[in-house]
Amino acid sequence: EDKVVQSPLSLVVHEGDTVTLNCSYEVTNFRSLLWYKQEKKAPTFLFMLTSSGIEKKSGRLSSILDKKELFSILNITATQTGDSAIYLCAVVRNDMRFGAGTRLTVKP
Amino acid sequence: GAVVSQHPSWVICKSGTSVKIECRSLDFQATTMFWYRQFPKQSLMLMATSNEGSKATYEQGVEKDKFLINHASLTLSTLTVTSAHPEDSSFYICSASSWGGTEAFFGQGTRLTVV
Repeated sequence: EDKVVQSPLSLVVHEGDTVTLNCSYEVTNFRSLLWYKQEKKAPTFLFMLTSSGIEKKSGRLSSILDKKELFSILNITATQTGDSAIYLCAVVRNDMRFGAGTRLTVKP
Repeated sequence: GAVVSQHPSWVICKSGTSVKIECRSLDFQATTMFWYRQFPKQSLMLMATSNEGSKATYEQGVEKDKFLINHASLTLSTLTVTSAHPEDSSFYICSASSWGGTEAFFGQGTRLTVV
């Protein structure tokens, strides 16, 4: 059965900490893996990953995909309270399925 | 990035009535649209995948007669919640992708409250 699994489900850190969020998948016909940040309403796009081993970077956030081991990680360095959100990964095939999300709370 | 417009943003309706939610791709041709439902503190659950001009593919457990999806054009898909009940109250969100796309773009979401 196809699945997208995120871990941890919940994470509480203090400002300045570095966090690593995980997304593993078992799907057929993989096209891409997407990371989103969701605060109050619709998710906002962070990264799209299609190739293994190529790091995508945007400010304090970075992500990489391993297509052999079937997982991706999202790193956030020097976390800030504004990073508090649910982080979702989704795998795109002919549909798009989400993991359960990781709820990140960054305390001052 | 591409723009997807979802309307309405929120709606309150009486139990037993039907509600239509629209999802439009404004600057690209959305050959595929996905409809999701999200309960508080949970992730997005895929309800159905619709390809333009074809019948939608519903996920297991989603009643296709209750959640009617129409994707008649490359820029518009609609989700109609028929005979809504309070348990249908949820956040509904669409995303759209172009043919062979590796990326999908979200609408703003619709918060439905059935009273």
